[in-house]
Amino acid sequence: DSGVTQTPKHLITATGQRVTLRCSPRSGDLSVYWYQQSLDQGLQFLIQYYNGEERAKGNILERFSAQQFPDLHSELNLSSLELGDSALYFCASSVVGGNNGELFFGEGSRLTVL
Amino acid sequence: GESVGLHLPTLSVQEGDNSIINCAYSNSASDYFIWYKQESGKGPQFIIDIRSNMDKRQGQRVTVLLNKTVKHLSLQIAATQPGDSAVYFCAENARGSARQLTFGSGTQLTVLP
Repeated sequence: DSGVTQTPKHLITATGQRVTLRCSPRSGDLSVYWYQQSLDQGLQFLIQYYNGEERAKGNILERFSAQQFPDLHSELNLSSLELGDSALYFCASSVVGGNNGELFFGEGSRLTVL
Repeated sequence: GESVGLHLPTLSVQEGDNSIINCAYSNSASDYFIWYKQESGKGPQFIIDIRSNMDKRQGQRVTVLLNKTVKHLSLQIAATQPGDSAVYFCAENARGSARQLTFGSGTQLTVLP
């Protein structure tokens, strides 16, 4: 158990809809990262937040947005969903000042767009 | 563009044998490399890392080798066990990019009884 909690674990929705994925980082971790894992693209970095502020942006579509709240949990909002958005969405958190690469991943939210 | 890639998508080894998983990278700014293990239905789990000023680093049953000349790294697993069956990803982190990891495509390791 990494200590990172993601909900929901599974989500099935239709094209054009909007969903929100939620992540609670490990206790004490200020940074939260979102990654998308699909069969054809592998693990792709989407966005990072640090203590409520956006820190880095990767291959995140304009239809997607995220935020980190004062209690440090984060939400990833996906709108105008397309079939190609079906994927596993992972949240990860990290220790401030810890190893560069040691991210602690949650178990993911599997999104299926029909 | 820059990319991190894996030589082989699948690898099968006998239980007790050693496993070697390879990874090539092309970003010359990469200065930190990480191996992650992802078991079915779970998120990636950190295994071992290595900085670019090192050639080799050992952990418990795992060793990572880095060859900067040819931009190649490998993960060696000694005495492979059934619990090692998973997808293994290499990832790189370039200096100044926070922890925006770039992941390779993954290698599926299957341990045969």
